This record gives sequence, structure tokens and C-alpha cells, in this order.
Amino acid sequence: GQQLNQSPQSMFIQEGEDVSMNCTSSSIFNTWLWYKQDPGEGPVLLIALYKAGELTSNGRLTAQFGITRKDSFLNISASIPSDVGIYFCAGLYGGATNKLIFGTGTLLAVQP
Amino acid sequence: ETGVTQTPRHLVMGMTNKKSLKCEQHLGHNAMYWYKQSAKKPLELMFVYSLEERVENNSVPSRFSPECPNSSHLFLHLHTLQPEDSALYLCASSQDFRAAGNGYTFGSGTRLTVV
Repeated sequence: GQQLNQSPQSMFIQEGEDVSMNCTSSSIFNTWLWYKQDPGEGPVLLIALYKAGELTSNGRLTAQFGITRKDSFLNISASIPSDVGIYFCAGLYGGATNKLIFGTGTLLAVQP
Repeated sequence: ETGVTQTPRHLVMGMTNKKSLKCEQHLGHNAMYWYKQSAKKPLELMFVYSLEERVENNSVPSRFSPECPNSSHLFLHLHTLQPEDSALYLCASSQDFRAAGNGYTFGSGTRLTVV
């Protein structure tokens, strides 16, 4: 079945650094979503992408929908301590069930 | 506050207990979902309900029993669980089961520990 490979699994960075993570699949997706999960909470939607090549920003976050429709990346610029959490990609491939497939997550730790 | 409320936030239960998790959404969504989140694993979809009708059951053991009395409420009844069932159980909702392009809205989850 569909599977999303998310990398890196974890990142430990200094405050102020930029961060990049990506998600790849062997299947084509119609929608890519990026979520953040704070410790002890559920995932919260950060950015939604609906078209191949689309580049969308949300504050210091920028995400892109890959041209092949099989990948997406998320960049965080000038990281701050509250960026700590787990970042998940999710893809929607359509079809009969039209359900979201989630990546394995990237754990981000930011040292002040 | 996301509009999806889960109770309790934490639950410790013995293997012979029966307990229930509750989820309520105030977003007017038509679809609701139960996910299991274990350490170092992707989110596992357990059940999907659309307008109170179960539309998906992903080979979940019968010791987990969902109930959706109306489109705003979703329960997960638990009985005779195993220690490996300890996990964060997340409820989510979406506008419509077949149009999830706006993503799912998640609750804060119930941290379940089976002893």
C-alpha cells in the first residue's frame, strides 16, 4: 500500500538555524499536508499544498509540493525553541477512500 | 483548542478492566476517525465514521469497539487490553469523508497505559 518515507527521523539544532525535512513516496499524491505535534498534544495542521510545484509559506515555514507529485519538503527558517516537536507529512491520494497517509515524523529539538 | 475534545487525557487500566474513550467535535464535520500513535511508528488509522456509519475498520482487534451515536460524538470502548495497546489514541474529524483535502483536525489525545 501507499507509504510515506520522511527524513530525517530526528534533528538537534541550535536556535537560529534553518531546518529542512522532506517526505517521499512511490505513489502520486493529490494533496500534501504538513502537521506539527507538540509534546502531549495532537497534530496541528501547518500548511496544505494542492498543486504540483506549489510553494506556500506560513510565517517562518515554507513547504513545496514536488513536481513529480511524489514528494514534498518543509523548511523552517531561524528556528526558535517553541519549534520543538514532531513534524508529520501527510498525503492524500484520492481514489475511493480518499484518506490521509501519514509519514513517520521528524523529531525536532532546538537548543537555546 | 482545536474544536475536537478528547477525554480523559490520561488513562491507566488493568488488562481485565473495561473503559471508554470519548471524542466530541464542535466543527460541524461529518467524518470522525480514531488513530493509534505508538512510539517510532506512523499514525495507525483504526476506524473511520461518516455520518455515524462506520466506513472503515482496519483489522483492529475486537477488544477495541467503536461507537458513533451521532456525527459529533465518537467513543472507543476498551476491554481486556494488552500492554502493547499502551499508546496515544487520537481522535480526528474532517468536513467530509470523501473530501479530506483540508486535512483532519485532531484532538489532544488520550494517553493510555495498560498495566
